[in-house]
Amino acid sequence: AQKITQTQPGMFVQEKEAVTLDCTYDTSDPSYGLFWYKQPSSGEMIFLIYQGSYDQQNATEGRYSLNFQKARKSANLVISASQLGDSAMYFCAMTHPYGNKLVFGAGTILRVKS
Amino acid sequence: DTGVSQDPRHKITKRGQNVTFRCDPISEHNRLYWYRQTLGQGPEFLTYFQNEAQLEKSRLLSDRFSAERPKGSFSTLEIQRTEQGDSAMYLCASSLGTGLYIGEAFFGQGTRLTVV
Repeated sequence: AQKITQTQPGMFVQEKEAVTLDCTYDTSDPSYGLFWYKQPSSGEMIFLIYQGSYDQQNATEGRYSLNFQKARKSANLVISASQLGDSAMYFCAMTHPYGNKLVFGAGTILRVKS
Repeated sequence: DTGVSQDPRHKITKRGQNVTFRCDPISEHNRLYWYRQTLGQGPEFLTYFQNEAQLEKSRLLSDRFSAERPKGSFSTLEIQRTEQGDSAMYLCASSLGTGLYIGEAFFGQGTRLTVV
């Protein structure tokens, strides 16, 4: 079965610095997708970035990049130049083999300090 | 289009009452998902529609829960005879998926249910 592990319950980062949020996954299927979502206190899940298992290059979206290490089954999120508005819960997720749902990790709370 | 919208945002109900939530997906999206999220946890999959067809239901979805998506547009999630354990955030998401590709799933702001 698919499983996502986020080992960092909480992280602190100084404003304008970079931070890496860890995510490891477990699947026996060769075809899968990996997602990162941000959930601020308002509750909405905001899509950040997507990486397909066959993508050769790491995905990037503005200040977000996904450090995809397939052999290690890790998909860490890197946020560059942290901003106070980045303070939120961050979830890593992956697709089920049949592509019809996402399996989420437990999340990491990120706090950006000024 | 302003994204996925859910109504209501908050619902407080007495134990034993029925509640219904609505989700309006992004208009061109063919797939619609319901998730449940309890405090401090990641969302858990409840059910999934492709157009109007409900293709999968989680074991979390007891017989007190029912979801519909008439005409493949908006969806409703009904909980009958609510229990305190049903208190959670109910999230709806939609995507434009093809085959095994789920697509970018966009979420609504959720409906927070409190059963007292």
